[in-house]
Amino acid sequence: GEDVEQSLFLSVREGDSSVINCTYTDSSSTYLYWYKQEPGAGLQLLTYIFSNMDMKQDQRLTVLLNKKDKHLSLRIADTQTGDSAIYFCAGAFGNEKLTFGTGTRLTIIP
Amino acid sequence: DTGVSQDPRHKITKRGQNVTFRCDPISEHNRLYWYRQTLGQGPEFLTYFQNEAQLEKSRLLSDRFSAERPKGSFSTLEIQRTEQGDSAMYLCASSSQGIDTEAFFGQGTRLTVV
Repeated sequence: GEDVEQSLFLSVREGDSSVINCTYTDSSSTYLYWYKQEPGAGLQLLTYIFSNMDMKQDQRLTVLLNKKDKHLSLRIADTQTGDSAIYFCAGAFGNEKLTFGTGTRLTIIP
Repeated sequence: DTGVSQDPRHKITKRGQNVTFRCDPISEHNRLYWYRQTLGQGPEFLTYFQNEAQLEKSRLLSDRFSAERPKGSFSTLEIQRTEQGDSAMYLCASSSQGIDTEAFFGQGTRLTVV
């Protein structure tokens, strides 16, 4: 089955860039997504990338996709305290449901 | 339309009781999904509907779980004879076509079974 992996924790100083990584085993997803979850809240779609793209930029967010290595990353420029959250990558790997990673908890150091 | 809404936000129940959750999707969305999220994990798929038809159920959805979407609009998820292992966040999402379009999530219902 599909497997999506992320490192569990990332700590970054305020103002620095954060890079959250994700690897997956199945390359059949048309889109790959990044969701943000704040404490006690649901999931907020941050951005997504179409599988035939290598990069997508949206304000402070940059998504890089390496299809050969099945690696997806999310870069947050100028990280702020409001960026503290859990970030999930997800894809729909050949079926009608999203498969999520375990999430990366981003902590901002003042 | 303010997005996907779920009710209640929190539910505490005694083991063995039945609970029912409701999800109201974005009005023009014909796809509706239920996910379960336990502490420290990503959401896991439970089931999805296209209009009123339930098209797929996960093996996570035991016989004690049932979901309906009777008129193709709101959906309910019922858990009978709750167990402590059912404690989780239950998330609902909707999308306009297949999952490879943007899926919007509700705030979730947090269930605690004591």
